[in-house]
Amino acid sequence: EDQVTQSPEALRLQEGESSSLNCSYTVSGLRGLFWYRQDPGKGPEFLFTLYSAGEEKEKERLKATLTKKESFLHITAPKPEDSATYLCAVLDSGGSYIPTFGRGTSLIVHP
Amino acid sequence: GAVVSQHPSWVICKSGTSVKIECRSLDFQATTMFWYRQFPKQSLMLMATSNEGSKATYEQGVEKDKFLINHASLTLSTLTVTSAHPEDSSFYICSGPYGGGREQYFGPGTRLTVT
Repeated sequence: EDQVTQSPEALRLQEGESSSLNCSYTVSGLRGLFWYRQDPGKGPEFLFTLYSAGEEKEKERLKATLTKKESFLHITAPKPEDSATYLCAVLDSGGSYIPTFGRGTSLIVHP
Repeated sequence: GAVVSQHPSWVICKSGTSVKIECRSLDFQATTMFWYRQFPKQSLMLMATSNEGSKATYEQGVEKDKFLINHASLTLSTLTVTSAHPEDSSFYICSGPYGGGREQYFGPGTRLTVT
C-alpha cells in the first residue's frame, strides 16, 4: 500500500526565512510525485511533478527535489503570499491514475 | 497548465433535497475524473472515480446510491448528492489526469452546506 507522510504538519516562518517541507513516501514503483499548493476554500493548484531520483524543479521561490524515499519543497526567502497548505502526492507505476495524498503542511509566513 | 472548472462554487440546500455538482475539463479531454471530499484542515479523501462511458468506481465506505456520479462526456462529470443531510456538508473537489496521468489538475471546489 502506498504511503505518503508530510512533515511538519504546520510551519510558521518570518518573511525571508528560508525553510524546507518534507514528503516521505513508500511505493512499489514511482510513476510521479506531485506537489500542490492549496489556499483556504480553493482546490489544489498544481506546482510540480517529479519523476526520478535526482530530479529538481523550480518555480519562483519554490524548489522541489526528489530522492528514492522522499521529496523536499524548499522555500527561499518566503513572502506572506506564500502562506498556504502544501500537499504532496505520489502516483505508483501500477495501472491506476489515482494518486495517494499526504495530509499536507500548513505554512504561515509572517510579515 | 490544464483547466478544470466546477459549478456551483458554493450551494446551500435543505435537508432531504438533492444537489448536482458539475465538473468540466475546459482544455483537455478526460476519460477519467476523480471526486474528492475534504473536511476542514484535513487532506483530500477520494470518493470515487468517474469513467466516461461506464459506471463509476466508488471507494470503500462511500454510498453509491447517495453520491451519484455520471461521466456524460469527455469533458463533463457530475456528482449528485441525493437526499442530502447536514453530515454531507463538506468541500467537494474534482480532478482530471492530464498528459497520461503525469499531471493532475483540480477544480476550484464546491462548498456544500446542508441545513
